[in-house]
Amino acid sequence: AQSVAQPEDQVNVAEGNPLTVKCTYSVSGNPYLFWYVQYPNRGLQFLLKYITGDNLVKGSYGFEAEFNKSQTSFHLKKPSALVSDSALYFCAVRDITSGTYKYIFGTGTRLKVLA
Amino acid sequence: SQTIHQWPATLVQPVGSPLSLECTVEGTSNPNLYWYRQAAGRGLQLLFYSVGIGQISSEVPQNLSASRPQDRQFILSSKKLLLSDSGFYLCAWSKGILDQPQHFGDGTRLSIL
Repeated sequence: AQSVAQPEDQVNVAEGNPLTVKCTYSVSGNPYLFWYVQYPNRGLQFLLKYITGDNLVKGSYGFEAEFNKSQTSFHLKKPSALVSDSALYFCAVRDITSGTYKYIFGTGTRLKVLA
Repeated sequence: SQTIHQWPATLVQPVGSPLSLECTVEGTSNPNLYWYRQAAGRGLQLLFYSVGIGQISSEVPQNLSASRPQDRQFILSSKKLLLSDSGFYLCAWSKGILDQPQHFGDGTRLSIL
């Protein structure tokens, strides 16, 4: 079965420091991976995706993600964190095995950027 | 461009009352549509999804139901709400193409008294 795991419930980082939010996946076949961000009382916003090609994917708001096939990871990164990056982050994989095209989400990681 | 609208933004309902939440998508045709519930600002629970008009798949047995009367309209309903139905309900759409992400509405905060 397809799955994603976000091992950290919360990540704290000082403003201006680099940040990493971790995600590992388990899929049959090629993974279709996504990162989303959620601000309080809002829906999820799409940040970036990995489908194929370059292992470093660039997305919105200065975020990027590194796909590592050998480690089955898709970690979200940003070189310099902002206080406004504080939010809930979700990793997701598209379930291509069931024929329904559902999305499977991780449990979310709360990022707190300290001023 | 495509947009998704969800309403109402907040709703307070007594136990045992009916529910109807509506979601509409503009700017695209034949989207896949989804209803999620999020408890306590954490993980997402997929409730229903639809790949076409009148086609509804239920993920979790419960007292909720969903309908898709039009191509870009998705409705979440209940005949009698339970306390456990409280939560943040999110509607989302995607194209039926593997590499496309979901796009979410801004959600409905439902409180059951």
